[in-house]
Amino acid sequence: LAKTTQPISMDSYEGQEVNITCSHNNIATNDYITWYQQFPSQGPRFIIQGYKTKVTNEVASLFIPADRKSSTLSLPRVSLSDTAVYYCLVGDGNSGYALNFGKGTSLLVTP
Amino acid sequence: DAGVIQSPRHEVTEMGQEVTLRCKPISGHNSLFWYRQTMMRGLELLIYFNNNVPIDDSGMPEDRFSAKMPNASFSTLKIQPSEPRDSAVYFCASSFQGINYGYTFGSGTRLTVV
Repeated sequence: LAKTTQPISMDSYEGQEVNITCSHNNIATNDYITWYQQFPSQGPRFIIQGYKTKVTNEVASLFIPADRKSSTLSLPRVSLSDTAVYYCLVGDGNSGYALNFGKGTSLLVTP
Repeated sequence: DAGVIQSPRHEVTEMGQEVTLRCKPISGHNSLFWYRQTMMRGLELLIYFNNNVPIDDSGMPEDRFSAKMPNASFSTLKIQPSEPRDSAVYFCASSFQGINYGYTFGSGTRLTVV
């Protein structure tokens, strides 16, 4: 099971781009990289998933280098409502195991 | 779809009492997960089911915890007897064909054991 390392917390001002990097040095060939977002008093919600290169959706972009040993979640022009905990997970949907989310990265956006 | 439905939203109980948390997964999802969230330990996996069968319960803290999934639309997590250190938010999540398709979480049950 690939172990992930991400910063415990980050601060940003409104309107800035935020990049959260996750390290996963022992990622396996079949593993995908998935990011979740959790607001206070809610369960985490899926925001983006990728295998390699770059993935973009209406919420965020995910950058994955060729060696796949890290990934970066990019949030463009954050607002106060982006204050949340962001989790990086690595795993293989066909392997028969589930994932521990850990503590994630707590992002605080201020005016 | 109403999403993953958990009940109750809040539960306050006295130490030693039995607590039962309930979860209704999204229809059609074949995997169900129970998680516990605390400030100290973050979001921990307790147990997960695939096609109603428990696959990995290594995260269940001790024998006081048990989980069942009698059918595809219902699961319970039971704590008996409850202890103050069990106080946490318990989340249920479901997914289709494993993690590559993403988990959908319920709103959680906030358990307080006094």
